[in-house]
Amino acid sequence: DQQVKQNSPSLSVQEGRISILNCDYTNSMFDYFLWYKKYPAEGPTFLISISSIKDKNEDGRFTVFLNKSAKHLSLHIVPSQPGDSAVYFCAASEVGYSGGSNYKLTFGKGTLLTVNP
Amino acid sequence: DTGVSQNPRHKITKRGQNVTFRCDPISEHNRLYWYRQTLGQGPEFLTYFQNEAQLEKSRLLSDRFSAERPKGSFSTLEIQRTEQGDSAMYLCASSFSQQPQHFGDGTRLSIL
Repeated sequence: DQQVKQNSPSLSVQEGRISILNCDYTNSMFDYFLWYKKYPAEGPTFLISISSIKDKNEDGRFTVFLNKSAKHLSLHIVPSQPGDSAVYFCAASEVGYSGGSNYKLTFGKGTLLTVNP
Repeated sequence: DTGVSQNPRHKITKRGQNVTFRCDPISEHNRLYWYRQTLGQGPEFLTYFQNEAQLEKSRLLSDRFSAERPKGSFSTLEIQRTEQGDSAMYLCASSFSQQPQHFGDGTRLSIL
């Protein structure tokens, strides 16, 4: 069963507009969430994260929103730029037995974002 | 910060052969992780080290797979008697305690 779901395989937006990428999860033990960006032939690059005690985290053009009751998070990119074109992965972690989050990530399948000039 | 380094970038081998991959984490990072990614999927967790101790292994890590992190520095992932289904991208990541994980560019394994 897939515990982290990214239901949109692809998304296309115009430069300067907002990109909204969505992610749903089923495991109620997840308490830390991250977004990674991946270019072809490169490893995933960390973008932004959010703890379950928050509902919003912002870093420059990137904002992540968490709705725990709906088990849903989203990544907003505004304004979108052509260089943002990449695959975006949503990932989640639960508290490990050794303590602390972010030790074992469960990833979604990714969403390919294309930003058109 | 030179980033997480993985070698080789690409490995082609015949079915039944053994292969070993190496990961050099970011120097001050005490945690090291291995993931596997197949086409159209996100990375899947394989195993995790804190310093030299291997604290968790996924059920995906069959007994043909072994990982080590001697002295808590670099790590190796060995696959014995490779099978077609082992073809994938093997990703290594490292972090300092609970900070976000930083990934290398991976080793792509192709089984002929």
